[in-house]
This record gives sequence, structure tokens and C-alpha cells, in this order.
Amino acid sequence: SYVLTQPPSVSVAPGKTARITCGGNNIGDKSVHWYQQKPGQAPVLVIYNDSDRPSGIPERFSGSNSGNMATSGNTAALTITGVEAGDEADYYCQVWDSSSYHWVFGGGTKLTVL
Amino acid sequence: EVQLVESGGGLVKPGGSLRLSCAASGFTFNTFGMNWVRQAPGKGLEWVSSISYSSRYIYYADSLKGRFTISRDNAQNSLYLQMNSLRVEDTAIYYCARGQDNFDCWGQGTLVTVSS
Repeated sequence: SYVLTQPPSVSVAPGKTARITCGGNNIGDKSVHWYQQKPGQAPVLVIYNDSDRPSGIPERFSGSNSGNMATSGNTAALTITGVEAGDEADYYCQVWDSSSYHWVFGGGTKLTVL
Repeated sequence: EVQLVESGGGLVKPGGSLRLSCAASGFTFNTFGMNWVRQAPGKGLEWVSSISYSSRYIYYADSLKGRFTISRDNAQNSLYLQMNSLRVEDTAIYYCARGQDNFDCWGQGTLVTVSS
């Protein structure tokens, strides 16, 4: 089965840039989606199709996949620039595995704003 | 406003059954695929099942081993998850989520606790 690997935690100072990675075999061939989940709340879609932002999501959130120039290898990434205290949350990547007809989530990354 | 409201969770003994419901409003329900995702206490998101807008295509996570059944009633704008032979490890918050290409809207979830 397809596996997505995320770092358990990422820490960043306010105003700096956070980068959360999502590794998977040939992930560049897939569309990667990212979700933000704050404590006690439902997940919220923040990036879809590698790099598109739903309406209402700040431009500070961006995404990339190994199919483009911003990342390399079998890695997708969520980048948050000018990190704010309110960005502290768990972040999950997701892909559709067309070989098994399964949705797959990464294990999640806890973003801590120092 | 797009809204998804889950119900039907609760405490059940191992081996028991529950039927979860998700009431949808604010969008044309019969044009969207729908999904169930669960989250065990302190753990990450786990995809459970998906159903296409017409119910023609249905998919399940391997871990369910045929114990869960997803269905929908487009006339009632509702999504369902029938859960049988429940195990302690099925304890989780169960979310319904809209979408077939990504999950762009989520309900607040309903808690299922399996315990003797």
C-alpha cells in the first residue's frame, strides 16, 4: 500500500518560514492535498492539487511537488511564510492511490510556533 | 453556507453496531462524492470509505475488512456509515467530508467509543 511520510514536528519562530514535507514514492505523479487541523476542530483544506489555495486561505500558504522546480525527489511540501501564532496546528498531506483505489493520509506534522 | 452535520455516535460494546449519519446542506448533494474519515484519540487522520455521487463507486480502507458499509440517500441529502462487529480499535471521531478530488468541506465529527 502507498505510504506518505511526514516529519512528526516542525518548529518555527513567528514571522519566519515553515516548510512541512510529505514523502512518497513517485509523489510527483500524484496530486497532493494539505489539511490544517487545530486542536478540537475538524480539518480544513489549505492546499489542493499540489499548489492551489481554496478561497479564504491566505497567500502565506503555498504548496509544491517534486514534479515542479520548488522541490526535489519524491517530496511534496507545504510552505507557510510569515508564520503566525494562529498557524500552530497539525498538518496532513493526502493523495489518491489509483492502484488501490484508496485515499492515503500522511501521519501528520505538528507545527509549533515558538 | 455549506454544512455537514454528523450524528449517531455513542458508546457501544465490542461486537455491537452503530449507524452514523451525515446531513448535508448548502450545496447540491447529488453532484458530490462523499467520504468518511476517522481519527482515534491523539492519532492522525485515517480514511475510512468513499462513495461517488451516484453510489456507483464505493471504496473502503483495507483495515475495515468488510465490517462497514457506506451509503447515501440523495433525496434526503444524507450520507450514512453502517458499522458492524465493532472493535475497541474503532474508537474514534468519525468525520464526513465532501469531495471526490479532495475533501473541501468537513463536518465537526461524531465520537464513537467502543468499550465494554
